[in-house]
Amino acid sequence: DADVTQTPRNRITKTGKRIMLECSQTKGHDRMYWYRQDPGLGLRLIYYSFDVKDINKGEISDGYSVSRQAQAKFSLSLESAIPNQTALYFCATSHGRNGYTFGSGTRLTVV
Amino acid sequence: DQQVKQNSPSLSVQEGRISILNCDYTNSMFDYFLWYKKYPAEGPTFLISISSIKDKNEDGRFTVFLNKSAKHLSLHIVPSQPGDSAVYFCAARYHNQGGKLIFGQGTELSVKP
Repeated sequence: DADVTQTPRNRITKTGKRIMLECSQTKGHDRMYWYRQDPGLGLRLIYYSFDVKDINKGEISDGYSVSRQAQAKFSLSLESAIPNQTALYFCATSHGRNGYTFGSGTRLTVV
Repeated sequence: DQQVKQNSPSLSVQEGRISILNCDYTNSMFDYFLWYKKYPAEGPTFLISISSIKDKNEDGRFTVFLNKSAKHLSLHIVPSQPGDSAVYFCAARYHNQGGKLIFGQGTELSVKP
């Protein structure tokens, strides 16, 4: 089993729909992150959480919300999806100030 | 504003030659730099890192150089192999902001046999 698991792997949704992307980890890391990847823009930070009671906005949090349900689970929600939220979304974890372990990504298409 | 920049979207190199990937940054508060490699349909994976107190770190075929005065780092791959073909992301970490990383746009490396 993967250390960081993202579900679903692919999703197509309609404009205006609410959608949740889920991330779970078995590494026991305290810190979790959500990024999106767009061509030419690289990986941009949406939200991050340093522990269950700590949630922080990243560079591009507008239109998104998150929930840290447990140390191992960090979900990303799009309350009302729009086409420019079409992207590849990555969840990552880290412990302390070490580097990240990434999930395999969720490809989201908003039509 | 992009604090970590990779100005070359793509790079093509012949197998066996050196690949040099470049990265520039603007924030002098970054204290640690990392390179990640990404294959299609997979998440990025850690490749090599360097602390701001060093100017070079080597791991096998991979070497990262840091020039703090120029706010520039580079990744050298010698010799390049076809399996190195991937997207490479440069990332930087803020001093005293835990593990949060800021990534560059990525450079797609193609190593031709």
